[in-house]
Amino acid sequence: NAGVTQTPKFQVLKTGQSMTLQCAQDMNHEYMSWYRQDPGMGLRLIHYSVGAGITDQGEVPNGYNVSRSTTEDFPLRLLSAAPSQTSVYFCASSNIGIAKIQYFGAGTRLSVL
Amino acid sequence: KNQVEQSPQSLIILEGKNCTLQCNYTVSPFSNLRWYKQDTGRGPVSLTIMTFSENTKSNGRYTATLDADTKQSSLHITASQLSDSASYICVVLTTSGTYKYIFGTGTRLKVLA
Repeated sequence: NAGVTQTPKFQVLKTGQSMTLQCAQDMNHEYMSWYRQDPGMGLRLIHYSVGAGITDQGEVPNGYNVSRSTTEDFPLRLLSAAPSQTSVYFCASSNIGIAKIQYFGAGTRLSVL
Repeated sequence: KNQVEQSPQSLIILEGKNCTLQCNYTVSPFSNLRWYKQDTGRGPVSLTIMTFSENTKSNGRYTATLDADTKQSSLHITASQLSDSASYICVVLTTSGTYKYIFGTGTRLKVLA
């Protein structure tokens, strides 16, 4: 059982480059979300989705795009990378409900030079 | 503003000792409160989930408490082990008109032999 799979694990970009972080889950979860984790700060929500075709912004959406064409996949696109986007990115999924467990991927460590 | 605050920021204890981590939240409306464990270099893993009506939930040596009146929670770790060394994150789910997890910044626990 794969759970939540994120690729790549590590990435180095130059300022201005674009890229897509991949996230896939095999648990048929409706809810998927992207977070960034920076030193000394809690996980901050970038974008989330409550089902295929539905996405919404979190607290730090600027510079990122998402789409949800299938239940399984929720890619995060960096449009024009900036050094401020250097961070560890986590994708998570869960069913929607009061006490549903949220599952996280292993993370993508991104450095923007 | 929805916030989750944790204390202490970091904690060092000897193997076999007990410890208690604190969480205060100002999230409204409140759906449930979770504690996660995050090992270095990995994604968070759910330990406990408590709804408004639950004031204690255990998972092995981990016991979480919730006081919904004072908006406080604690995570008690009994007979600590070296493998308990990790960050422990308090998370509150809010679901009115949205579905968002609000993360605390975590308590970094180090267990020494």
